[in-house]
Amino acid sequence: DGGITQSPKYLFRKEGQNVTLSCEQNLNHDAMYWYRQDPGQGLRLIYYSQIVNDFQKGDIAEGYSVSREKKESFPLTVTSAQKNPTAFYLCASTFGIDSNQPQHFGDGTRLSIL
Amino acid sequence: GESVGLHLPTLSVQEGDNSIINCAYSNSASDYFIWYKQESGKGPQFIIDIRSNMDKRQGQRVTVLLNKTVKHLSLQIAATQPGDSAVYFCAEKASGTYKYIFGTGTRLKVLA
Repeated sequence: DGGITQSPKYLFRKEGQNVTLSCEQNLNHDAMYWYRQDPGQGLRLIYYSQIVNDFQKGDIAEGYSVSREKKESFPLTVTSAQKNPTAFYLCASTFGIDSNQPQHFGDGTRLSIL
Repeated sequence: GESVGLHLPTLSVQEGDNSIINCAYSNSASDYFIWYKQESGKGPQFIIDIRSNMDKRQGQRVTVLLNKTVKHLSLQIAATQPGDSAVYFCAEKASGTYKYIFGTGTRLKVLA
């Protein structure tokens, strides 16, 4: 089945530690996104990527970094500079960045602070 | 458990009744709209979409209505079932842009 796989499902971060969230898709989508979901708020865009080796900051990129070395993969690193990292992180993809198509989402990673 | 749904407006409906969930969108330039369903601990799941050249679109047990004059979107679920219990939220997008704008969501509770 085609889809988006996020791992791990739960992640704990110690103070001063960087952690990396994995996102893999086999939908042959060009565009990939990372969102943060907090209680009572809409999804907020962290980073997006239109194509391999290209990515752009979203609305809340501070304290996060990404890479896009392969079409299928778009990992997100939550750095120690992100002072409030506790949230549910969602990865999504679409065929093209400016196409009017629904985004497909993974099942998320819940990050908590130890 | 999943805390995404805390502080959300809640709609409680009896099993078998119809549900109507509303969404006000923000950008006059938006011409594409999506409804998602999110169950506890899972990612959003696509339900139905509509483009601005339409006022209504129907799927299986779901209907989306778009009122561009007042920037309002609604999702109607017919014969609501226990499996419909989830958080529902809308998203909007303008053609040629990268950005999807998401609503905060409504929790639907189906009472047996």
